[in-house]
Amino acid sequence: DQQVKQNSPSLSVQEGRISILNCDYTNSMFDYFLWYKKYPAEGPTFLISISSIKDKNEDGRFTVFLNKSAKHLSLHIVPSQPGDSAVYFCAASASGGADGLTFGKGTHLIIQP
Amino acid sequence: DVKVTQSSRYLVKRTGEKVFLECVQDMDHENMFWYRQDPGLGLRLIYFSYDVKMKEKGDIPEGYSVSREKKERFSLILESASTNQTSMYLCASSSPRGVGQETQYFGPGTRLLVL
Repeated sequence: DQQVKQNSPSLSVQEGRISILNCDYTNSMFDYFLWYKKYPAEGPTFLISISSIKDKNEDGRFTVFLNKSAKHLSLHIVPSQPGDSAVYFCAASASGGADGLTFGKGTHLIIQP
Repeated sequence: DVKVTQSSRYLVKRTGEKVFLECVQDMDHENMFWYRQDPGLGLRLIYFSYDVKMKEKGDIPEGYSVSREKKERFSLILESASTNQTSMYLCASSSPRGVGQETQYFGPGTRLLVL
């Protein structure tokens, strides 16, 4: 049973526009959420996180929104750049991240020129 | 900058062999983790460790064991490799960003092929 779901395996966005990646979770005990970016043959790179006490966190072009009642979070990238083309993983933890993360299956973001 | 290194980028082993995957981090992190990544399945937690000589099972520990003799080093052991253990293996270590907010930093991964 998947506790973290990324329902879009891929997403294509034009350069300069907004990319919105979505993630849903089922475990109400999750209290910390992260987004990672992964290029082929490399390890995931941490992008941004949000704790359950917040509903928004912003870092440069990246913003994460958390809707606890809907058990939904999203990552916004504005403006999208060619280097943003990668697989994005949503991850969650019920212990602030200390016990390991539960990952979604990933969304492949393709930025078109 | 956090640096997590893994001993091999690519490894080819035969069924039944004992395989050691090594991971070293240089940021004095207490927590270390091993995941595997498979197409269509995302990343799945195999084992993790809070401290030297401590280990905890993750979601898919069967067929694996781990060793943490020193704080900076966390080894994943496949006692008798099988073809279904062909995968990308990722090591991570974590640093607290605040109370209840630990961010994991990943190594480059080891792509293991078991023939």
